[in-house]
Amino acid sequence: EVQLVESGGGLVQPGRSLRLSCAASGFTFDDYAMHWVRQAPGKGLEWVSGISWNSGSIGYADSVKGRFTISRDNAKNSLYLQMNSLRAEDTALYYCAKDTKLSGGGDFDYWGQGTLVTVSS
Amino acid sequence: DIQMTQSPSSLSASVGDRVTITCRASQGIRNDLGWYQQKPGKAPKRLIYAASSLQSGVPSRFSGSGSGTEFTLTISSLQPEDFATYYCLQHNSYPLTFGQGTKVEIK
Repeated sequence: EVQLVESGGGLVQPGRSLRLSCAASGFTFDDYAMHWVRQAPGKGLEWVSGISWNSGSIGYADSVKGRFTISRDNAKNSLYLQMNSLRAEDTALYYCAKDTKLSGGGDFDYWGQGTLVTVSS
Repeated sequence: DIQMTQSPSSLSASVGDRVTITCRASQGIRNDLGWYQQKPGKAPKRLIYAASSLQSGVPSRFSGSGSGTEFTLTISSLQPEDFATYYCLQHNSYPLTFGQGTKVEIK
């Protein structure tokens, strides 16, 4: 059974940093690209970032480019999102999602349950 | 960037109704489109992939169609468990983009 378990969310002050993690199990992690998707309270889904199986292809939404960094550790079956210079508008539930393809370009067949990030003073 | 325009933003329908939701892409995306259902407090669930392929385990009353710039999700006979919010996702090129969502409510 595929499982994606996010962690690392919490309350953080504007301008500070936070690192999210996603622990994957139930599939061969390094056979697939992975993504982060967020959802602000009461709002729609927003793709944040994606990374190919070997970290060779990475993409970011314009809203986070230069502030967030996606990475993965295939030996640990884990995906990460380093979030710097956080803003109030980054407040959201952050989901980890599995791509259907190796290098990205697929859609998302499995999602975690999310970790909540609240940016507030 | 590719913009996805989803309509309507909400609709009210009765059990047994046929429901159609549309997503329009700002440029051609072949069939690189998925449809997702999200219920309150839950993660999204994939319904349709490659614009028209039904995800395993999803009831056959759900169907998708389209290619290029115009896509449609149809629920042939709305059931009580289908009241939810639906999103399209284009995965043709980065940045990936979702439609704004369609909330399907009980009439």
